[in-house]
Amino acid sequence: KAGVTQTPRYLIKTRGQQVTLSCSPISGHRSVSWYQQTPGQGLQFLFEYFSETQRNKGNFPGRFSGRQFSNSRSEMNVSTLELGDSALYLCASSLGPGQGLSGNTIYFGEGSWLTVV
Amino acid sequence: EDQVTQSPEALRLQEGESSSLNCSYTVSGLRGLFWYRQDPGKGPEFLFTLYSAGEEKEKERLKATLTKKESFLHITAPKPEDSATYLCAVQRETSGSRLTFGEGTQLTVNP
Repeated sequence: KAGVTQTPRYLIKTRGQQVTLSCSPISGHRSVSWYQQTPGQGLQFLFEYFSETQRNKGNFPGRFSGRQFSNSRSEMNVSTLELGDSALYLCASSLGPGQGLSGNTIYFGEGSWLTVV
Repeated sequence: EDQVTQSPEALRLQEGESSSLNCSYTVSGLRGLFWYRQDPGKGPEFLFTLYSAGEEKEKERLKATLTKKESFLHITAPKPEDSATYLCAVQRETSGSRLTFGEGTQLTVNP
């Protein structure tokens, strides 16, 4: 079956602009999480959505936001881009709560590479 | 605050030379400890989840073990294609699908 799909794969934006990244989870998965990966900070949790509701949020400024749709697809948005937002943004999906240990496996997509100039 | 420390930061092995990677963790109420492999420019690839001390899981040349304070990823007779960054992450019982990651161990296996 298809894995976690993220679009776009690569993008370049200018400081001050905003960007929207998209994630389609594995079919049947209802939990979607977002992470930022940079060489200096490693993988940092942004937020998690389940059933269109934000369940958890990491320590990122309010410029970072997300949402989830009824089909479990998710988008994240970064407004007023800064140079330091250049990173690999990763989406991860899992079945969600109440699915037992087998439903706890968390799969990642290939990521969206964002460069801010 | 949850903490995950991986060692060594980098490891060079000759093909066939077995070794272990370490992941030390501090977490309040561990639900699961995850191991991933990440190749350059790609997303993390799921390897294992361990849930209780004493648990072991194997996949090809890899074996992961878990104690109450650390996890080991043992690599037996590695091949050059095992070269990658190996990431360890912890999941808390009360934090849904949120993972806290270590910095990773960059493994290079020379032919």
